Amino acid sequence: EVQLVESGGAVVQPGGSLRLSCAASGFTFDDYAMHWVRQAPGKGLEWVSLITWDGSTTYYADSVKGRFTISRDNSKNSLYLQMNSLRAEDTAFYYCTRGSIATARYYFDYWGQGALVTVSS
Amino acid sequence: QSVLTQPPSVSGAPGQRVIISCTGSRSNIGAGYDVHWYQQLPGTAPKLLIYGTGYRPSGVPDRFSGSKSGTSASLAITGLQAEDEADYYCQSYDSSLSVYVFGTGTRVTVL
Repeated sequence: EVQLVESGGAVVQPGGSLRLSCAASGFTFDDYAMHWVRQAPGKGLEWVSLITWDGSTTYYADSVKGRFTISRDNSKNSLYLQMNSLRAEDTAFYYCTRGSIATARYYFDYWGQGALVTVSS
Repeated sequence: QSVLTQPPSVSGAPGQRVIISCTGSRSNIGAGYDVHWYQQLPGTAPKLLIYGTGYRPSGVPDRFSGSKSGTSASLAITGLQAEDEADYYCQSYDSSLSVYVFGTGTRVTVL
């Protein structure tokens, strides 16, 4: 059974930093690209970042570019999101998702339960 | 700023058929990128419902079906059930923005 379990969500002050982790199991982790998707409370979904299977290539939404860094450790079956210079508008549930391919682009076939990040003073 | 537009809400009686539209543009759905659909039950994470425009993952009832035409896509739910009350999101890729994009979301209410 595929499982994705996020951790690291917390309350952090504006301008602060936080690192989210996602532990993957039930599939061959280094066969898949991984993504982070977020959802502000009561709002819709927003794609945040993508990392390819080997970690060689990363992509980011403009809203987080230069502030967030996605990474992975295939030896630990783990995905990470380092978030710096946090803003109030970054407050959201952050979901770790597995990417599968259709017409050369990804969809998200498995999701974690989400980690809540609250940016507030 | 979602580039895929969905109706905020749709409703239907048990057993009825409802359709959720997802309107995009020539840089996403109209460019030939597949559309995928997710169901989010209250208080839970989203779950993949339809991928590749019209394929259902294992375990998803055949009451759910997807289609696409031009710059729009649709999700149909036939034989509506109480357990279908949820938020539904479409998703694709936008080549102008170079990002993965989600629809604005539609809440389905079973009357």
